[in-house]
Amino acid sequence: EAQVTQNPRYLITVTGKKLTVTCSQNMNHEYMSWYRQDPGLGLRQIYYSMNVEVTDKGDVPEGYKVSRKEKRNFPLILESPSPNQTSLYFCASSFRPTGGSDTQYFGPGTRLTVL
Amino acid sequence: ILNVEQSPQSLHVQEGDSTNFTCSFPSSNFYALHWYRWETAKSPEALFVMTLNGDEKKKGRISATLNTKEGYSYLYIKGSQPEDSATYLCALTSNDYKLSFGAGTTVTVRA
Repeated sequence: EAQVTQNPRYLITVTGKKLTVTCSQNMNHEYMSWYRQDPGLGLRQIYYSMNVEVTDKGDVPEGYKVSRKEKRNFPLILESPSPNQTSLYFCASSFRPTGGSDTQYFGPGTRLTVL
Repeated sequence: ILNVEQSPQSLHVQEGDSTNFTCSFPSSNFYALHWYRWETAKSPEALFVMTLNGDEKKKGRISATLNTKEGYSYLYIKGSQPEDSATYLCALTSNDYKLSFGAGTTVTVRA
């Protein structure tokens, strides 16, 4: 089954404790991205990756890091989480960059709470 | 981030009734318009991608139209059913290949 998986689905942590949210896709997609979703706002892109070892900042990259060592995986790293990073996070992938008319496939979301 | 607006923010509709809602975007930046359906605790799921002015797409009881000259798209739900309850997201791909999402319209279908 074609899918994007994220782990964990739910996470409560404390300020400053490094964490990683994993994302994996089994569709051989080149393009992957991370979004955060906050009440009243649209999905905002954090980082994206065009291919292995190629990553770039989205609209709200501050406080986040990513890596793309393999095509299927695109982890999101919060080196020192802060309460303003409490949000719902989505990973997404597509064959081509989202700038085209290509459809994105989304993961199930990770709800992160930083105390 | 481009200003993509969806209205209304939420709506309630009686089962069996039809409804529609709007996505507005800056027409000068248009490349493609996406609609997604997002059920609580699930992943957003693609409904339509539209690229041409006047495009109309249909999937079951849900359809969408696109006006790129005036910068809007309508999503229609015909004969609403409880399973149509979800948040409907639209997203604009701009001509510099950026993707901007609206905040969504949350539809609740009352039995």
